[in-house]
Amino acid sequence: KAGVTQTPRYLIKTRGQQVTLSCSPISGHRSVSWYQQTPGQGLQFLFEYFSETQRNKGNFPGRFSGRQFSNSRSEMNVSTLELGDSALYLCASQIQGDTGELFFGEGSRLTVL
Amino acid sequence: DAKTTQPNSMESNEEEPVHLPCNHSTISGTDYIHWYRQLPSQGPEYVIHGLTSNVNNRMASLAIAEDRKSSTLILHRATLRDAAVYYCILRALMYSGGGADGLTFGKGTHLIIQP
Repeated sequence: KAGVTQTPRYLIKTRGQQVTLSCSPISGHRSVSWYQQTPGQGLQFLFEYFSETQRNKGNFPGRFSGRQFSNSRSEMNVSTLELGDSALYLCASQIQGDTGELFFGEGSRLTVL
Repeated sequence: DAKTTQPNSMESNEEEPVHLPCNHSTISGTDYIHWYRQLPSQGPEYVIHGLTSNVNNRMASLAIAEDRKSSTLILHRATLRDAAVYYCILRALMYSGGGADGLTFGKGTHLIIQP
């Protein structure tokens, strides 16, 4: 069974640009959530999608957005990139978004110059 | 959100049991106790979770205090591959239909395994 797949794995952008990251959940998983990991702040919850609807959101500015498609694949977008957005962005999937096991991908490493 | 407190780091010897403590004195009745671990350059990996009773799986055991204000993750026989950062997390059941909020990760415990 394939795991959670995130693309791209690595990318470099400059300040002011925007970026789109993609996440393909495990087949049959309907909930996808996104996390940002930085050395200073650790792992922080961005948002969760379930059946194409954002169901929960962390404390991030509106520059961070996401969406989920009918096949449960998800994308997150960061507009007007800032240096502080450099981080590892992790996607996690779950069967339906209960309190069970989350399966994480290996992440997309974003560097903003 | 209810918070958890874990030691910054712990050290153990290979093939010995490891007990990783976690305090969560403000836990609410609907909070599940989750443990994840993260190896270098990888995403977090689920270890175990529970609500009130002790839990066992192929990776570890979770011992939950009777008042639920603390818990202990037990690795029965540590190997070098168990060296990782271990996160103790509380996750609330938000929706009656089964949804839950995002995970709030703390700093975790950096587990060092000596050969």
